[in-house]
Amino acid sequence: DAGITQSPRHKVTETGTPVTLRCHQTENHRYMYWYRQDPGHGLRLIHYSYGVKDTDKGEVSDGYSVSRSKTEDFLLTLESATSSQTSVYFCAIRDSSYNEQFFGPGTRLTVL
Amino acid sequence: AQRVTQPEKLLSVFKGAPVELKCNYSYSGSPELFWYVQYSRQRLQLLLRHISRESIKGFTADLNKGETSFHLKKPFAQEEDSAMYYCALKMDSSYKLIFGSGTRLLVRP
Repeated sequence: DAGITQSPRHKVTETGTPVTLRCHQTENHRYMYWYRQDPGHGLRLIHYSYGVKDTDKGEVSDGYSVSRSKTEDFLLTLESATSSQTSVYFCAIRDSSYNEQFFGPGTRLTVL
Repeated sequence: AQRVTQPEKLLSVFKGAPVELKCNYSYSGSPELFWYVQYSRQRLQLLLRHISRESIKGFTADLNKGETSFHLKKPFAQEEDSAMYYCALKMDSSYKLIFGSGTRLLVRP
């Protein structure tokens, strides 16, 4: 599993509340990514990080912010959750040794 | 704009039949293509990449730059191949992947 964990694994929340998802890695990889997975859209990149405090936007970044204060943790925050943000969220890391991305187990978020 | 297209949302075949999952991309540079697989309730995992030209679980895929395609093939499908398959594109000088919308493969007994 490349040492990637996500928490929580499941969350139900209400519209308008803030939500933070955590991605944790144990192998000191520089690049980390947040995707959302939706039927008919596949995986879409939300934000990514290329080092501590270095982040950039992906294709669907509106309504999301991220932070990376240490190498092992990459946080995704929904400032004010909306029903359109109901999705499965995957974190990934890039292993430069193999030039491939490894994925976490996913977080299923439901916004009511 | 760079794009990955997987035209089939669902592909249903019988066990033992050949399988071809289609993937087309649009990118004018030097692409690197990948196939990822997601079994039920599991995380995505890399199935194969065009650079390594390997065969994993009987699957192969050849990059056709003329047709901008990277179709995934297997001569004899097995029930355990039932899963969601994603094609992904990495552009040169980029550390991001662009994913297609995915194809669900259902192998019937």
